[in-house]
Amino acid sequence: QQPVQSPQAVILREGEDAVINCSSSKALYSVHWYRQKHGEAPVFLMILLKGGEQKGHDKISASFNEKKQQSSLYLTASQLSYSGTYFCGTESSGGSNYKLTFGKGTLLTVNP
Amino acid sequence: DGGITQSPKYLFRKEGQNVTLSCEQNLNHDAMYWYRQDPGQGLRLIYYSQIVNDFQKGDIAEGYSVSREKKESFPLTVTSAQKNPTAFYLCASSIRGDNYNEQFFGPGTRLTVL
Repeated sequence: QQPVQSPQAVILREGEDAVINCSSSKALYSVHWYRQKHGEAPVFLMILLKGGEQKGHDKISASFNEKKQQSSLYLTASQLSYSGTYFCGTESSGGSNYKLTFGKGTLLTVNP
Repeated sequence: DGGITQSPKYLFRKEGQNVTLSCEQNLNHDAMYWYRQDPGQGLRLIYYSQIVNDFQKGDIAEGYSVSREKKESFPLTVTSAQKNPTAFYLCASSIRGDNYNEQFFGPGTRLTVL
């Protein structure tokens, strides 16, 4: 089952903040976040692991609530370059047969 | 420069024909993945391989086939059994097939079946 992302779309003015949420019905071992600009390949932003470890860009912050099976991506002081579609990918098996299941995405538009 | 290449960028085929999409990486990554992207659907996993000569079905494997004979190559064949093959196909790789390593994506191939 795909994780559910919210909101589906958000429009900001440059400098404003946004939060993108990712929720799963399964227990999660890790959450990955990617950003994709139109017509381009997705680009890695962050990994959050069960237990609290994180890996990713310094200017991006995110949280992972294991009990609620949710993750949130925090975009502060948004820039025009933040525009794109954000995807979360969740990993639920916890075993060696690792794979990600991606949400449908959140379209973020940052206007001047 | 290291990276993932997919060719061609655009591909047109007639209905009923099989078509093979190329994916090559020179990152020395063990794991490789194929995703399909449709508008509003996100990325859906077709097949993945964590090591050479081994691969597993993803969530939407029906109508597709893959091979992993070389570490750097993971071609995807879209067969005539795939009912709706028109989509954007993305190939990705990661150092290892585990949850600590990010996936690097290729530029994608847009397949249109006429």
